[in-house]
Amino acid sequence: DGGITQSPKYLFRKEGQNVTLSCEQNLNHDAMYWYRQDPGQGLRLIYYSQIVNDFQKGDIAEGYSVSREKKESFPLTVTSAQKNPTAFYLCASNVARDYNEQFFGPGTRLTVL
Amino acid sequence: GQNIDQPTEMTATEGAIVQINCTYQTSGFNGLFWYQQHAGEAPTFLSYNVLDGLEEKGRFSSFLSRSKGYSYLLLKELQMKDSASYLCAVRDSSGGSYIPTFGRGTSLIVHP
Repeated sequence: DGGITQSPKYLFRKEGQNVTLSCEQNLNHDAMYWYRQDPGQGLRLIYYSQIVNDFQKGDIAEGYSVSREKKESFPLTVTSAQKNPTAFYLCASNVARDYNEQFFGPGTRLTVL
Repeated sequence: GQNIDQPTEMTATEGAIVQINCTYQTSGFNGLFWYQQHAGEAPTFLSYNVLDGLEEKGRFSSFLSRSKGYSYLLLKELQMKDSASYLCAVRDSSGGSYIPTFGRGTSLIVHP
């Protein structure tokens, strides 16, 4: 079955630790995205990548980093510089940037204690 | 960037019809999307409008007026499982990014 996987579903970390969230897709999509969602808020774009080895900052990139070494994978690292990291993180992909729908992974809920 | 506005919460009765509005301001409109998101889950795609008019897909329809910067999602024959958040997203081509911007979502509560 084709789709997007994110792991883990729930993640707990101590303040000051870096943490990496994984996102893998087997849809052969070129474009991948990371969003953050807070309660009562829409999705805010953190980073996106439209091709392997290239990525762009979104609206709230500070305190986050990404890599795109393979087409299938777009991991997100939440660094200790991110002031308020507790949130629901969603990874998405689509065929290319101007294609219609985005497909979303199940999300990772990160709680920093 | 875009300014997207939709109501925070709506309630409706099972079997009824509900209309969720979305207004937006953008410089390079390139499409409007509606997604459904159940609590704690990923958004799922419902509809896409790029031309004015109504797109119908089963119980769900979406309307767009580009001149008014306005869209609505119409849900007919409401079912309890339609209780969810509905996200409006607008894609902007100015600057070449083609990345959709999401509204805050409308939480729909369907009661018996």
